[in-house]
Amino acid sequence: KAGVTQTPRYLIKTRGQQVTLSCSPISGHRSVSWYQQTPGQGLQFLFEYFSETQRNKGNFPGRFSGRQFSNSRSEMNVSTLELGDSALYLCASSLNSDTQYFGPGTRLTVL
Amino acid sequence: GDSVTQMEGPVTLSEEAFLTINCTYTATGYPSLFWYVQYPGEGLQLLLKATKADDKGSNKGFEATYRKETTSFHLEKGSVQVSDSAVYFCALIEGSQGNLIFGKGTKLSVKP
Repeated sequence: KAGVTQTPRYLIKTRGQQVTLSCSPISGHRSVSWYQQTPGQGLQFLFEYFSETQRNKGNFPGRFSGRQFSNSRSEMNVSTLELGDSALYLCASSLNSDTQYFGPGTRLTVL
Repeated sequence: GDSVTQMEGPVTLSEEAFLTINCTYTATGYPSLFWYVQYPGEGLQLLLKATKADDKGSNKGFEATYRKETTSFHLEKGSVQVSDSAVYFCALIEGSQGNLIFGKGTKLSVKP
């Protein structure tokens, strides 16, 4: 089976812009979770989607949002980018919030 | 809330040395426990997992045993290789909450 794929792999944006990241889960997986990884804060949970519904949410401001489509693909959006949003954004898929398999990540740089 | 504490790095070992990375957790229920590994420039790879007390997860020579009495899940390998150089993360997930809780990671460097 193909693994989790994320696009794009690298992004450079400027403050105030918005960005959309995409994640395609492993075939058959219905749960997609998103995480932010930074050197200072480590790995932090953003949100989880299951069957197109947000099932769980971390402690991030409303500028961070996501959605899931009927084919389980997921997108996350960050509006009004801040310098502190520079991070590696990781997507993980699972059958039902159990063992999670991660994609390679999207490296976002905000200038 | 739930949390994971793992030993601070970096850890530097010579090839063929014995590796232990300590991990302890705090949880209200009965979590599943995981070790993930991250190589430079990559995402996280699942290394091993254990879902209940006394379970032993193993993969690629790495092992970890779920110890409920000490709330620990220490990672061990008998003989490390240069290719094991990476950052190792201990994590837990509880119930169907959908979110892994990670330790801060331990960077391992293995010298030839």
